[in-house]
Amino acid sequence: GAGVSQSPSNKVTEKGKDVELRCDPISGHTALYWYRQSLGQGLEFLIYFQGNSAPDKSGLPSDRFSAERTGGSVSTLTIQRTQQEDSAVYLCASSLLSGKDTQYFGPGTRLTVL
Amino acid sequence: DAKTTQPTSMDCAEGRAANLPCNHSTISGNEYVYWYRQIHSQGPQYIIHGLKNNETNEMASLIITEDRKSSTLILPHATLRDTAVYYCIVIKTSYDKVIFGPGTSLSVIP
Repeated sequence: GAGVSQSPSNKVTEKGKDVELRCDPISGHTALYWYRQSLGQGLEFLIYFQGNSAPDKSGLPSDRFSAERTGGSVSTLTIQRTQQEDSAVYLCASSLLSGKDTQYFGPGTRLTVL
Repeated sequence: DAKTTQPTSMDCAEGRAANLPCNHSTISGNEYVYWYRQIHSQGPQYIIHGLKNNETNEMASLIITEDRKSSTLILPHATLRDTAVYYCIVIKTSYDKVIFGPGTSLSVIP
């Protein structure tokens, strides 16, 4: 069956521009997570959605980062006024109900801010 | 903070069993042990998880000690495609974000 998909796979942008990253979770999965992974680093949690609500936004690094999820399915992560330190691979994961259920990851979006 | 400790790197000969250890001495009763792996330039891939009993699936076996303070992931016949970073993590029964430590970099050698 279809897994988690993310788009675009690669994004190169100039410092100061806004970017929008998209995640399509596995159909029927109610929980959705965003993480980022800088070069050679482990995963850094950003935000968690249960349905359309985000009970945990604690990982968002600054107010330039925001995310939304509509219809309990697709989610978008928006980074405004991008900085070079935002360069990373942004990973999305989904699980059936909640954290105790296995999280399945997408392939990621590689963001490069010049 | 990651709640697990793993060796930084390991080598394994192709065709042999790869045994990856993980210490989780502060694990609590409602926390599961999960294993993921990440092949270069790909998202993490789920391998297996368990609570207290040993588990086996088509990819691997998970051996959890009786006191649950450590576990071992076993890849029975390692192939070159198993070269990856392997992450051992603990997740509570309620919502919990995944917190990955540095993991073990496994190199399968021909």
